[in-house]
Amino acid sequence: NAGVTQTPKFQVLKTGQSMTLQCAQDMNHEYMSWYRQDPGMGLRLIHYSVGAGITDQGEVPNGYNVSRSTTEDFPLRLLSAAPSQTSVYFCASTLGQGFTEAFFGQGTRLTVV
Amino acid sequence: SQKIEQNSEALNIQEGKTATLTCNYTNYSPAYLQWYRQDPGRGPVFLLLIRENEKEKRKERLKVTFDTTLKQSLFHITASQPADSATYLCALDQSSGYALNFGKGTSLLVTP
Repeated sequence: NAGVTQTPKFQVLKTGQSMTLQCAQDMNHEYMSWYRQDPGMGLRLIHYSVGAGITDQGEVPNGYNVSRSTTEDFPLRLLSAAPSQTSVYFCASTLGQGFTEAFFGQGTRLTVV
Repeated sequence: SQKIEQNSEALNIQEGKTATLTCNYTNYSPAYLQWYRQDPGRGPVFLLLIRENEKEKRKERLKVTFDTTLKQSLFHITASQPADSATYLCALDQSSGYALNFGKGTSLLVTP
């Protein structure tokens, strides 16, 4: 099993550019989520999804869009990158509500210049 | 607002000793609490989950306690090894119940 796969691992963007961070899981998990991790801030929830076609905002959603057209994929879109979005991004998946562990991808390190 | 606090100071201990990490929370009534390990440049990895009706849980050299009155969890690593050096994260269910909120983590360094 591949688990949770994120691509790319590293990315440098110019301010104003757009890009999509990819996340795919092969465990048939219902729940998926995106976090960003910054020094001193810990992991903060950006968006999450409880199934195909259903998404909701987390703690820090501004500047990010998500969609969930399939159970397997949960891409994160930056429409107009800003230096404040420089961070490490993690995608996670969970089998279902409560009492279950979250599986994380290896992360995408994004730098916006 | 919901808050999860972990000791921000790094914990340095000698190999063979027991490491104890603390997680305190406010404005939560969690059904369960989770602990994760994160190595540099890697995603968090699940270690243990403890439910509100469980006082203690063990897995090999790991032990977690959960006191819902004190709103605190303690995470113990007995007979610590240099390979245990990592950042340890405490997590509680986010208000919707569909994702997790994490503490900022505590860095553990085990020296030979």
